[in-house]
Amino acid sequence: DGGITQSPKYLFRKEGQNVTLSCEQNLNHDAMYWYRQDPGQGLRLIYYSQIVNDFQKGDIAEGYSVSREKKESFPLTVTSAQKNPTAFYLCASSPGAQPNYGYTFGSGTRLTVV
Amino acid sequence: AQSVSQHNHHVILSEAASLELGCNYSYGGTVNLFWYVQYPGQHLQLLLKYFSGDPLVKGIKGFEAEFIKSKFSFNLRKPSVQWSDTAEYFCAGSSNTGKLIFGQGTTLQVKP
Repeated sequence: DGGITQSPKYLFRKEGQNVTLSCEQNLNHDAMYWYRQDPGQGLRLIYYSQIVNDFQKGDIAEGYSVSREKKESFPLTVTSAQKNPTAFYLCASSPGAQPNYGYTFGSGTRLTVV
Repeated sequence: AQSVSQHNHHVILSEAASLELGCNYSYGGTVNLFWYVQYPGQHLQLLLKYFSGDPLVKGIKGFEAEFIKSKFSFNLRKPSVQWSDTAEYFCAGSSNTGKLIFGQGTTLQVKP
């Protein structure tokens, strides 16, 4: 079945450490997105990529970094500069950047800083 | 700035009650609107979407939404909810950039 795989499902990190969240899709989608979900705040866009080797900052990019070396992969690194990293992280993809496409979402990674 | 807002953060209903969740958007140009649902422990799923044509959109599981341009609204409705509709509901919109902007979410709890 085609879809988006996020791993791991749960992740614990010590303060001061960088950590990378994986997102892989086999849908042949051009565009991929990272969102952060916090209670009462909905989903906020961190980074997005509409084509391989290109990505753009979203609304809350500070303290995060991404790469898009392959079409199917869009890993997110949460750096030690991110002041409040504990959250639920969702990866999504869409066929392209056209506005009427909906997104396909992964099942998410819950990151906890200990 | 583009934004999407949901009025109700937490809604509690009894089974068979009617549901209406509010959603307003504030951006111009091309308007594409979506409702997503997140059942407990599951990933976000698309309920329905509007991008042109008939402003009354029907989605899965008996849900519908009406786009009212004059009110900048896209409210989600269901005539009779079931316990299995307990979930978090997100309204989202996108303009020409293709990026989705989400509302804050509404948690729906349906009591059996």
